[in-house]
Amino acid sequence: AQKITQTQPGMFVQEKEAVTLDCTYDTSDQSYGLFWYKQPSSGEMIFLIYQGSYDEQNATEGRYSLNFQKARKSANLVISASQLGDSAMYFCAMSAGYSSASKIIFGSGTRLSIRP
Amino acid sequence: DGGITQSPKYLFRKEGQNVTLSCEQNLNHDAMYWYRQDPGQGLRLIYYSQIVNDFQKGDIAEGYSVSREKKESFPLTVTSAQKNPTAFYLCASRQGGFNQPQHFGDGTRLSIL
Repeated sequence: AQKITQTQPGMFVQEKEAVTLDCTYDTSDQSYGLFWYKQPSSGEMIFLIYQGSYDEQNATEGRYSLNFQKARKSANLVISASQLGDSAMYFCAMSAGYSSASKIIFGSGTRLSIRP
Repeated sequence: DGGITQSPKYLFRKEGQNVTLSCEQNLNHDAMYWYRQDPGQGLRLIYYSQIVNDFQKGDIAEGYSVSREKKESFPLTVTSAQKNPTAFYLCASRQGGFNQPQHFGDGTRLSIL
């Protein structure tokens, strides 16, 4: 069975500091993708970054990077130089299988709060 | 602009009443999904559909029903059998395999009167 675990229910970080949000996963599939989404208080889900199971390089998108450690089954999100607008819920998600309807499972989320 | 439109933004249901949440996409995506989110929690899959006239139950399908008569539309009905329907409902779509992200609508907040 597939599983996503986020062990940090909430985090407080000072503005301009870097922050790491933890995510571990479990799957028996060899081909899978890992995603991070941001959910502001308004509720919409914003796609941040993707890492494929066969990707050798860690994914980066602007201030976001994904620290992918395949042997440890972890896919931590790193936000550099945090900003007040980064305050939100962050969800790690995983998809496996080649069908577009393959299920995507989500972790329970981490609420990130940035202090000025 | 392409995207997913959910309506209404807020919805109130009386006891014993069925209500339908709308989800429309113009991204030409094959797959569509419905999720439920309770306060402070993650997303739980209700139903998903890969093609027109076909859909599968997710993890919490009891008390819900869906239809997929058109590629761009995937409405969700919350029936009176769903005893605790108060939640935030998110619709998503996707095209391609495991390396493609889902695109989400802005959600519908359902409350019981």
